[in-house]
Amino acid sequence: AQRVTQPEKLLSVFKGAPVELKCNYSYSGSPELFWYVQYSRQRLQLLLRHISRESIKGFTADLNKGETSFHLKKPFAQEEDSAMYYCALRGYFGNEKLTFGTGTRLTIIP
Amino acid sequence: GAVVSQHPSWVICKSGTSVKIECRSLDFQATTMFWYRQFPKQSLMLMATSNEGSKATYEQGVEKDKFLINHASLTLSTLTVTSAHPEDSSFYICSASPSGTDTQYFGPGTRLTVL
Repeated sequence: AQRVTQPEKLLSVFKGAPVELKCNYSYSGSPELFWYVQYSRQRLQLLLRHISRESIKGFTADLNKGETSFHLKKPFAQEEDSAMYYCALRGYFGNEKLTFGTGTRLTIIP
Repeated sequence: GAVVSQHPSWVICKSGTSVKIECRSLDFQATTMFWYRQFPKQSLMLMATSNEGSKATYEQGVEKDKFLINHASLTLSTLTVTSAHPEDSSFYICSASPSGTDTQYFGPGTRLTVL
């Protein structure tokens, strides 16, 4: 069974400070990991995926298979980063099913 | 591009009635659409995968006869909650993947309240 754990429901960070949203997963094979973001009153949207290895809005995430983690990081938080962040996993068996974590609400303090 | 809409955005109905929710891909064709359910302060839980022209694949624990899914065209999937009860009150979200890709684009969600 695949499972995604986001240990922090709430996270508050001062503007300009580094941000790290934690995500751990369990999956028996090689998963594909994603971060989705939902800004206030907007729909869920893809922020980044591990296979792209890209930085979006200053955020990066590295898949650590040894620690089964996919933490989301940004060196300098901005007020517009305040949102709900969901980590998600998809297996590599031709199955497009996404399993979501419970989400972390990030609040940037001005 | 890649916009997914849902209708209605919210609905209130009486217990025992049926409610239909539509999910449309506005500017792309989607062979596959997904239906999720989200309870307050909880994560999205996949209910079923909707495949155009074939039967939907339901997740374990989701009643097929209660949550009817129809994916009659490449741009429309519908979820019908039959004989709704208060415990069906939730936020229902759909997503769609453009044919040939695996990126899911999410709709804005539909809030269902059953009285």
